[in-house]
Amino acid sequence: NAGVTQTPKFQVLKTGQSMTLQCAQDMNHEYMSWYRQDPGMGLRLIHYSVGAGITDQGEVPNGYNVSRSTTEDFPLRLLSAAPSQTSVYFCASSYEGQGAPHYEQYFGPGTRLTVT
Amino acid sequence: GQSLEQPSEVTAVEGAIVQINCTYQTSGFYGLSWYQQHDGGAPTFLSYNALDGLEETGRFSSFLSRSDSYGYLLLQELQMKDSASYFCAVRVPDQGGKLIFGQGTELSVKP
Repeated sequence: NAGVTQTPKFQVLKTGQSMTLQCAQDMNHEYMSWYRQDPGMGLRLIHYSVGAGITDQGEVPNGYNVSRSTTEDFPLRLLSAAPSQTSVYFCASSYEGQGAPHYEQYFGPGTRLTVT
Repeated sequence: GQSLEQPSEVTAVEGAIVQINCTYQTSGFYGLSWYQQHDGGAPTFLSYNALDGLEETGRFSSFLSRSDSYGYLLLQELQMKDSASYFCAVRVPDQGGKLIFGQGTELSVKP
C-alpha cells in the first residue's frame, strides 16, 4: 500500500512553460485535493475532487487546471508557469461522505517547484 | 474572511509539556484538526475535535471550545523527534468541506 504518491519530487521551470504534476493514491479514496505551501502561509487549497469526473476550484485556482478521469489519479496542470507559482505542492486524499472530505487527509511527499 | 491564528514558534525542553494554541474565525465549522510536518515533508494527521472537550491519543491531546472559537494541542513528555511544525486546520462547509490551515507553529525541543 503506497498511499499517496507524487511525481516529480523536484522541478525547475522557465516562465511560460507548462507541466503536469502527477498524483496517485491506492486507498480507493473518493476525495482528492491539491494544496500549495508557501513560507509562513500554511497550506492553501488549489483544486479538489469528490470523485471521478467531478472537480471544483479551491481558494487559489488561477493558473492551474485539474482533471479526474479515474479514482486513483488527480494530476495538476500548470498552464503557463510564473515565478509566483514557485512553491511546494502537496496532493492529499481522504474518504468522502455526502460531498465532504473526511477530516483525516493523507498527504503525498510533495513536489518542490521553482519557476525562474 | 476566514482566519486561524497560532504562534509562529515555541521552544521547550525534552520531557516537558507544551501547549500550542489555535484561535479561528471562519464562516461555518465542522471541526478542528491538527497536523504535524517534519522539515517540509508530508503533513501527517494527529487529531480531530468536532465537539467541545479533550481528546487524548497517547502523548498528544487536543482540546476544543466552540463557544470561544479556540483549541489547543498538548504534547506531553516531549521528545527530540517532536521537533516539527504543527498546523491547526478548521473544516468548513464550503468548497466541498475544505480544510483551512493556520500558518503553523514551529516547535523546537531542546535537550
